[in-house]
Amino acid sequence: EIVLTQSPATLSLSPGERATLSCRASQSVSSYLAWYQQKPGQAPRLLIYDASNRATGIPARFSGSGSGTDFTLTISSLEPEDFAVYYCQQRSSYTFGQGTKLEIK
Amino acid sequence: QVQLVQSGAEVKKPGASVKVSCKSSGYTFTSYAMHWVRQAPGQRLEWMGWINAGNGNTKYSQEFQGRVTITRDTSASTAYMELTSLRSEDTAVYYCARYSSHTIVWGQGTLVTVSS
Repeated sequence: EIVLTQSPATLSLSPGERATLSCRASQSVSSYLAWYQQKPGQAPRLLIYDASNRATGIPARFSGSGSGTDFTLTISSLEPEDFAVYYCQQRSSYTFGQGTKLEIK
Repeated sequence: QVQLVQSGAEVKKPGASVKVSCKSSGYTFTSYAMHWVRQAPGQRLEWMGWINAGNGNTKYSQEFQGRVTITRDTSASTAYMELTSLRSEDTAVYYCARYSSHTIVWGQGTLVTVSS
């Protein structure tokens, strides 16, 4: 089973700063990787699919990159509503990473 | 619009089974796969498995293999997830989710509490 490892576990930043989140797969998943944002009490929200494509309605400050085993989610300038937990998921066997908590510094 | 409506919260004793339903509307049920994902309190998302609503084929996570069964009733546009041999660690919110290539629609979640 493919294991996804996200880093860092927690990221402390201020509004306006740039956030860079990493997701590493134990074997190649090609470009079949998605990123989600989750806030307390809510279902996850799809941000990025197929590594670099923004889902409908997702602001341009969110971008994804990578292929194979190494992927990155970048938030160019943090807004207050961006502080949440972020998960990656590979669409080969659908496992999730353990999440990165993005918190306000 | 596409909607997934799940059954209500459940309280079960250790060793029991639970069956959660997910009723679909607003699209052709048999044209999409339905996935099940759970999240224990304060924990990560866990993918449990999926069913091809058209032909009924299933695939399960190794983590839950042998304990989980996903089925569907095409006449009712409803998918089901049954989890057996429940233990306290199975206390979680269980979600159904309709995946397509670039969108995901989630059910509202069903809280299953396992407690003696």
